[in-house]
Amino acid sequence: GAVVSQHPSRVICKSGTSVKIECRSLDFQATTMFWYRQFPKQSLMLMATSNEGSKATYEQGVEKDKFLINHASLTLSTLTVTSAHPEDSSFYICSARDARAGNSPLHFGNGTRLTVT
Amino acid sequence: AQRVTQPEKLLSVFKGAPVELKCNYSYSGSPELFWYVQYSRQRLQLLLRHISRESIKGFTADLNKGETSFHLKKPFAQEEDSAMYYCALRTGNTGKLIFGQGTTLQVKP
Repeated sequence: GAVVSQHPSRVICKSGTSVKIECRSLDFQATTMFWYRQFPKQSLMLMATSNEGSKATYEQGVEKDKFLINHASLTLSTLTVTSAHPEDSSFYICSARDARAGNSPLHFGNGTRLTVT
Repeated sequence: AQRVTQPEKLLSVFKGAPVELKCNYSYSGSPELFWYVQYSRQRLQLLLRHISRESIKGFTADLNKGETSFHLKKPFAQEEDSAMYYCALRTGNTGKLIFGQGTTLQVKP
């Protein structure tokens, strides 16, 4: 089945530094990927829609300059948390849909636990 | 506004008991509803979707447009069903999903 790989699975960084999270579709092409954020014991909140070859679409309230998204190929999207602060500590999850299968469901990565100290 | 509501944070039942996890949605267009499950320390995975009208692991869900609901049901719960369940709504053709708050199902022996 379709697999989405997310790396790293966990990262600890110091306040003020930037962190890059990668999301890859391993056996399918994804023109669109989605980035979610999940706080402890809460639901997944959509942050942005990553579009291959064009700018990402951010949800209301998400700072695009803080959460930089790059979708340079059909199998890779990256999320960079710039100048991270402790309040950015969270679980980030990416998902992707097979571009060839019109109505296919989303497949999710394993998530990245970011801790900013 | 597009919204998914799962009113129960936690549902605790005994093994063999029936289970119903509630999900209501708000969407003016034609909805596409999903149930995702997340077992302990595993990624989110699709359980079922309303357009498939199939039963997965004994679970079924019927879309009721009149009541704007998509409740997940299983007649006899198993301990291995213990997990977090999310109801999700897909709107338009962008593919993005809006998730409910999630319900933790705890099946006791």
